Amino acid sequence: QKEVEQNSGPLSVPEGAIASLNCTYSDRGSQSFFWYRQYSGKSPELIMFIYSNGDKEDGRFTAQLNKASQYVSLLIRDSQPSDSATYLCAVTSGNTPLVFGKGTRLSVIA
Amino acid sequence: SQTIHQWPATLVQPVGSPLSLECTVEGTSNPNLYWYRQAAGRGLQLLFYSVGIGQISSEVPQNLSASRPQDRQFILSSKKLLLSDSGFYLCAWSGATEAFFGQGTRLTVV
Repeated sequence: QKEVEQNSGPLSVPEGAIASLNCTYSDRGSQSFFWYRQYSGKSPELIMFIYSNGDKEDGRFTAQLNKASQYVSLLIRDSQPSDSATYLCAVTSGNTPLVFGKGTRLSVIA
Repeated sequence: SQTIHQWPATLVQPVGSPLSLECTVEGTSNPNLYWYRQAAGRGLQLLFYSVGIGQISSEVPQNLSASRPQDRQFILSSKKLLLSDSGFYLCAWSGATEAFFGQGTRLTVV
């Protein structure tokens, strides 16, 4: 059974701080890793995609992947109240279905 | 660019009635297509996925079925809805480096 684990939270950070969201996965054959943001009542929206070990930066977001440790994280710099949402980690091995974690709820306090 | 259309956005159906939710993708060919369900406050449960026309894999035994009559069309159906079928239904497609969701259908079975 392929599993993706996330801390459900809520994770509370003050405005302007760095939010750190973590995800571990069980399938060592996983190749592609996605981070989604989901606002309440809305569908998930793609934030970041990463497939190589190391860091990938896009604006205030940085995804970090460590395949040896089966670990992927998302850092949000200069957190804003509008970043308050549930963040979903998803993993796939190519043509296999996306497997999602249950999500971490982030609350950015103004 | 790729877009994914899913309708309707909301639906209220009586127990025992049939269901048909449709999803279409534009701007890509031979996408992997998925149906997920999200119960209130819960994670994403994979229901069906398809790697090509007529190729459907079911992840969870249930009251639902899926079909892919055309390359970019994915349909979720039920002959008789149960109360437990209520939830937020999401269609998604994935390519090599991207995976996007439709707007979702909020189904309430009464």
